[in-house]
Amino acid sequence: DQQVKQNSPSLSVQEGRISILNCDYTNSMFDYFLWYKKYPAEGPTFLISISSIKDKNEDGRFTVFLNKSAKHLSLHIVPSQPGDSAVYFCAARAINTDKLIFGTGTRLQVFP
Amino acid sequence: NAGVTQTPKFRILKIGQSMTLQCTQDMNHNYMYWYRQDPGMGLKLIYYSVGAGITDKGEVPNGYNVSRSTTEDFPLRLELAAPSQTSVYFCASSKQGIGGNTIYFGEGSWLTVV
Repeated sequence: DQQVKQNSPSLSVQEGRISILNCDYTNSMFDYFLWYKKYPAEGPTFLISISSIKDKNEDGRFTVFLNKSAKHLSLHIVPSQPGDSAVYFCAARAINTDKLIFGTGTRLQVFP
Repeated sequence: NAGVTQTPKFRILKIGQSMTLQCTQDMNHNYMYWYRQDPGMGLKLIYYSVGAGITDKGEVPNGYNVSRSTTEDFPLRLELAAPSQTSVYFCASSKQGIGGNTIYFGEGSWLTVV
């Protein structure tokens, strides 16, 4: 039972263009969402988060959008850079818990 | 600044053997977590701890044990290793709970059970 789904295992984008990574969830009790970036042979690093009371959060080139009615969130990277090439994980927390549920990840490749 | 340190980085175990994955953090974080990541899958929570002396099960606790005798250390014990425990293990910590607080991950421990 995959509560957090990233249906695109990979995405290829040209440098300078926008990268859009998508994430869907099924549990309406999720109240906090995070995106993590992971390079090979390293642990995940925190990228950006959003609370369920918001629909958008921005941090530099990274913006996360949350559509609660559709149970969907997306990460926009503008402009994309080769150093953004990594695996991106969406994660969600159920209200009043300290457990993160992760998606399966999307591998982003940004080419010149 | 070390952050979250895991040892060993790589280990091969025989079926039925036991071992302990060590995790220590130097950020005085109350919360610590153990995750495993199987190929092509997301991270699954094994156990977590909200403070010294307190541990709780995550999504996939079977076959593992943990202890939290100090704030800094959160070892993960595998008893009677099985091939299904072949995975990459990540330890993580955060100051408080998840909401509004960044979780810091270690670099991972690659475990193969043969």
